[in-house]
Amino acid sequence: DVKVTQSSRYLVKRTGEKVFLECVQDMDHENMFWYRQDPGLGLRLIYFSYDVKMKEKGDIPEGYSVSREKKERFSLILESASTNQTSMYLCASSFLQGFGNTIYFGEGSWLTVV
Amino acid sequence: GQQVMQIPQYQHVQEGEDFTTYCNSSTTLSNIQWYKQRPGGHPVFLIQLVKSGEVKKQKRLTFQFGEAKKNSSLHITATQTTDVGTYFCAGLGRDNFNKFYFGSGTKLNVKP
Repeated sequence: DVKVTQSSRYLVKRTGEKVFLECVQDMDHENMFWYRQDPGLGLRLIYFSYDVKMKEKGDIPEGYSVSREKKERFSLILESASTNQTSMYLCASSFLQGFGNTIYFGEGSWLTVV
Repeated sequence: GQQVMQIPQYQHVQEGEDFTTYCNSSTTLSNIQWYKQRPGGHPVFLIQLVKSGEVKKQKRLTFQFGEAKKNSSLHITATQTTDVGTYFCAGLGRDNFNKFYFGSGTKLNVKP
């Protein structure tokens, strides 16, 4: 079974803190994604990566950065956390193909910024 | 940019009633996938539709892909309490085979 593991399930951080959300997948997937989920807004793509050291902005990249130094690991970084970044963050991965890429999601990380 | 709109946002039904959620894209899609997220859980893949006009069934669930590949629907016949959750569609854009555009989701509540 594909496993996408997010390192932290629940975090509480202070405004201005630097926050790291880590994600690891074990299926040798090329694609990795970070989404943010808020009530009524669905899943919004923050960043994605289709290869090591490659990244592309999603729909809401402002205030976030990412790092992919190894194929299995994709990190989301909040350089200076703000209260409007309180949300549930979902990491996901998939194979790189023309189409037919099932997306596998991690369990999610609930971040509260106070 | 590309958008996938999904309606309704919420649906409350009595157990045994039918339920439908609809997705519409502003542009033609390569394919569309459907996901279900149980309360407190993460989205889980249900199905993928690729061909124009395609219809697929999974027990009480029927998925359709429009002829123009710009819309899709998920219909549940005779809902059960186990159907509770949020259903998302995700369209794969033709411009970028790595980027899925998710609808905002339909949250289904089933009253026993």
